Amino acid sequence: DSGVTQTPKHLITATGQRVTLRCSPRSGDLSVYWYQQSLDQGLQFLIQYYNGEERAKGNILERFSAQQFPDLHSELNLSSLELGDSALYFCASSPNPSTLEKLFFGSGTQLSVL
Amino acid sequence: AQKITQTQPGMFVQEKEAVTLDCTYDTSDPSYGLFWYKQPSSGEMIFLIYQGSYDQQNATEGRYSLNFQKARKSANLVISASQLGDSAMYFCAMREGEASSYKLIFGSGTRLLVRP
Repeated sequence: DSGVTQTPKHLITATGQRVTLRCSPRSGDLSVYWYQQSLDQGLQFLIQYYNGEERAKGNILERFSAQQFPDLHSELNLSSLELGDSALYFCASSPNPSTLEKLFFGSGTQLSVL
Repeated sequence: AQKITQTQPGMFVQEKEAVTLDCTYDTSDPSYGLFWYKQPSSGEMIFLIYQGSYDQQNATEGRYSLNFQKARKSANLVISASQLGDSAMYFCAMREGEASSYKLIFGSGTRLLVRP
């Protein structure tokens, strides 16, 4: 168990809908990273937060947004969902993002858009 | 642009034997970090090992070791005494960005199957 908690584990929804994925980092970690894993794109970095502030942005679509709350949990919001958004979404946290020698992943949320 | 290449889509190994999973990287940064992760069929990403570019010795964690050859820009994962539970996808990754905004970029992965 990495200590990073993600809910829900599975999500099935329809095209055009909006969903929210939730993540709690490991105790003591201030950073949260979001990744998307799909069959065609592999593992892609989406966005990073540190203590509530956005620090880095990757290949995140405009339909997607994220935030990190004062209690350090983070939410990834996916809207106007398309079939191609079906993927495994990971959240990760690091004890020291300034060196990033360890990045611990949650068990992921499997999103299926039908 | 920084890049991670894993050229072996799939590999077999006999139980109790050692196996090497290949990873090459491309970067112009003098300071970088290399990682290996395991993803079993259940889907979670498990951190295995880390090697810093300035580390003098190859990293080891139990049965995992990282064969770091800086001049060749390779960071191969060696698993000794393979076990059936080692069957999984293995991803090589590299840290990129600046200190305030580091992130990992991943290779395409190698699927390892351990035969009994």
